[in-house]
Amino acid sequence: DADVTQTPRNRITKTGKRIMLECSQTKGHDRMYWYRQDPGLGLRLIYYSFDVKDINKGEISDGYSVSRQAQAKFSLSLESAIPNQTALYFCATSLSGGEAFFGQGTRLTVV
Amino acid sequence: QQQVKQSPQSLIVQKGGISIINCAYENTAFDYFPWYQQFPGKGPALLIAIRPDVSEKKEGRFTISFNKSAKQFSLHIMDSQPGDSATYFCAASTPLGGNTGKLIFGQGTTLQVKP
Repeated sequence: DADVTQTPRNRITKTGKRIMLECSQTKGHDRMYWYRQDPGLGLRLIYYSFDVKDINKGEISDGYSVSRQAQAKFSLSLESAIPNQTALYFCATSLSGGEAFFGQGTRLTVV
Repeated sequence: QQQVKQSPQSLIVQKGGISIINCAYENTAFDYFPWYQQFPGKGPALLIAIRPDVSEKKEGRFTISFNKSAKQFSLHIMDSQPGDSATYFCAASTPLGGNTGKLIFGQGTTLQVKP
């Protein structure tokens, strides 16, 4: 089993719909991150969490929200999806900010 | 505001050649500089990393060169192989263990190594 698991792997949704992307980890890491990847823009940080009670905005948090349900679970929500949120989304974990381990990614398409 | 700027966006190299990817950063508080490698359909994975107290780090065919005064660092891939074809990301982070240790990535470089 993968250490960092993202669900779903692919999702097509309609504009205005609420959608949740989930991430779970078995590495026991304290820190979890959500990034989005767009061609030519690299990986941009959406939100990050240092522990269950510590949630921080990243570079591009507008239109997104997160929930750290447990140390091992970090979910990303799009309250009202819009087409420019079409992207590849990655969850990552690290131990106290060291090497980051990424999930396989979720390809989200908003139509 | 792009805190880490990476170039080139794409690179084509012949097998056996040297691939060079450059990054520049602005925040002098950054003290951890990793490079990540991403194959299609996969998440990025750590390739090699350096801290600013050294000017170079080598692991096999991969070398990071770091210039603290210029706020630049680069990845050199010696004897490039077709299996190195991937997207490469540089990144930078503020002090590990502190309350700001988040990884900021560059824009990525797509490397193609021709046989």
